[in-house]
Amino acid sequence: DSGVTQTPKHLITATGQRVTLRCSPRSGDLSVYWYQQSLDQGLQFLIQYYNGEERAKGNILERFSAQQFPDLHSELNLSSLELGDSALYFCASSVGSRGGVDTEAFFGQGTRLTVV
Amino acid sequence: AQTVTQSQPEMSVQEAETVTLSCTYDTSESDYYLFWYKQPPSRQMILVIRQEAYKQQNATENRFSVNFQKAAKSFSLKISDSQLGDAAMYFCAYRGYGNKLVFGAGTILRVKS
Repeated sequence: DSGVTQTPKHLITATGQRVTLRCSPRSGDLSVYWYQQSLDQGLQFLIQYYNGEERAKGNILERFSAQQFPDLHSELNLSSLELGDSALYFCASSVGSRGGVDTEAFFGQGTRLTVV
Repeated sequence: AQTVTQSQPEMSVQEAETVTLSCTYDTSESDYYLFWYKQPPSRQMILVIRQEAYKQQNATENRFSVNFQKAAKSFSLKISDSQLGDAAMYFCAYRGYGNKLVFGAGTILRVKS
């Protein structure tokens, strides 16, 4: 158990709908990252938060948004869903660093999103 | 931008044998970390081993060890005494000052009994 909790584990929804994925980081971790892994593909970085503030953006679509709350949990919102959004969405957390390089990130079990 | 390359899409190893997975990266940063993550069929991402760039000594975790060649920007993973449970997708990853993890495309490792 990595200590990172993601809910729900599975989600099936229809095209055009909106869903919210939730992530609770490890205790004490300030940084949260979201990654998308499509079938048989690598991990694509979506977005990073540090202590409530957005730190970096990757290949995140405009239909997607995220935030990190004061209690440090994070939510990834996916709207106007398309078939191609079906993927495994991972949240990862790490201690975080204002300057310098952070250490390892620990991953949640992922949310498997299926858009039908 | 930093890039990570895993040139072996698939590798096979006989149980109890040793296998080496390759990884190269490109960066102009001086301080960074390198990682190997394992993704078994359950799709969970499991940290296998990490290496700090400023440390010359290669990291070791039980049967897993790395060969870190900083000048060549190479970071290979050696698995000794391979076990059936080692079968998985292995990702090499880089983390620098931006702090996001940059992943390679992955190598599927098959272990034969």
